[in-house]
Amino acid sequence: AQSVTQPDIHITVSEGASLELRCNYSYGATPYLFWYVQSPGQGLQLLLKYFSGDTLVQGIKGFEAEFKRSQSSFNLRKPSVHWSDAAEYFCAVGGIGNQFYFGTGTSLTVIP
Amino acid sequence: DGGITQSPKYLFRKEGQNVTLSCEQNLNHDAMYWYRQDPGQGLRLIYYSQIVNDFQKGDIAEGYSVSREKKESFPLTVTSAQKNPTAFYLCASSTSLGGLPYEQYFGPGTRLTVT
Repeated sequence: AQSVTQPDIHITVSEGASLELRCNYSYGATPYLFWYVQSPGQGLQLLLKYFSGDTLVQGIKGFEAEFKRSQSSFNLRKPSVHWSDAAEYFCAVGGIGNQFYFGTGTSLTVIP
Repeated sequence: DGGITQSPKYLFRKEGQNVTLSCEQNLNHDAMYWYRQDPGQGLRLIYYSQIVNDFQKGDIAEGYSVSREKKESFPLTVTSAQKNPTAFYLCASSTSLGGLPYEQYFGPGTRLTVT
């Protein structure tokens, strides 16, 4: 069965520090992978996506993610966090039948 | 300007009343989705539709109903049978690439409060 796990419910980082949000997936074939960000009371915005090719993908707002097939992971990274990055982050897998499977999210707090 | 609109942003209803949430997209996407979001539970799929006049139940369809009479529209009705309807509801749409969803676009959400 397809599933997505985000092991960290909540992460706190200092402004300017680096960030890594973890995502592990279970999927029977080559997955389509996504990271979304959600500000309070808002919809989800796509940060980046991976379909094939280069396993390091660049997204908006300075985020990047690396697909590691051997570890079934798609971790999100940012070298220097800004206070405006505080939000909820969701990892997702796209599957057959146009279905998406989301993780439970990681809440990011940025302290000055 | 393409996108997904959901209305209203906030909705209040009395217990026992049915309520319909609107979702419209002008992205020409075939697939549309409804999710429910509760604190700490991520997104849970209620219903999805891959084409007009067809839709499938998601993980938590009980107490909800949908219709897909037009490509652009996918309204969700929260019925009185839904035991705990207060939540944040998100509508989304997507196109496909090689049979897999290409990417999903989300509306701004509707917060429903039932008292």
